Amino acid sequence: DTEVTQTPKHLVMGMTNKKSLKCEQHMGHRAMYWYKQKAKKPPELMFVYSYEKLSINESVPSRFSPECPNSSLLNLHLHALQPEDSALYLCASSQGDSGNTIYFGEGSWLTVV
Amino acid sequence: GESVGLHLPTLSVQEGDNSIINCAYSNSASDYFIWYKQESGKGPQFIIDIRSNMDKRQGQRVTVLLNKTVKHLSLQIAATQPGDSAVYFCAENMGEYGNKLVFGAGTILRVKS
Repeated sequence: DTEVTQTPKHLVMGMTNKKSLKCEQHMGHRAMYWYKQKAKKPPELMFVYSYEKLSINESVPSRFSPECPNSSLLNLHLHALQPEDSALYLCASSQGDSGNTIYFGEGSWLTVV
Repeated sequence: GESVGLHLPTLSVQEGDNSIINCAYSNSASDYFIWYKQESGKGPQFIIDIRSNMDKRQGQRVTVLLNKTVKHLSLQIAATQPGDSAVYFCAENMGEYGNKLVFGAGTILRVKS
């Protein structure tokens, strides 16, 4: 079982809603990630946090807003999403910056209606 | 049965046979590579990793080979079992500073009993 915990497992939201995805790890990792995965496609990197600071933003639309309240928690705030944003959102963590194994959670399935 | 690159997205093998999954990576400067297994409805699960200063690494029933000359990575699974059926992704770390893991397209492995 993964030690990266994501909630909720499933989320259905309307295009005018505001919701959040949450991620937690207790492995003492200092880097955390958000990936997006569409059906039958590989995961695509969205954001990287290193030591609680945003280090990589892969030109993600502003309707996705990440937040790292502390080294164990990572949130993804969602607002005014489009149906094409429906996907599996994966959180991951690693011990440090470079060359460390990245461990994934089971993901949050998001459907935008 | 051997898949050649990512042009053959599905690999079918008989239970007990060895499987070889291939991956062509894109960045000659990538220094770290990971193989993940993803079962239906789950997040990617770490299998094995290798750094660019190595050309082979073995785990339990799995071996990863790295050929930097041709930018090729392969995953060998010995005595393939039905539980090995999943999508397999190779991923390369393309971040100059920190982890920027980019996934390949993936290969579906089907194990026939």
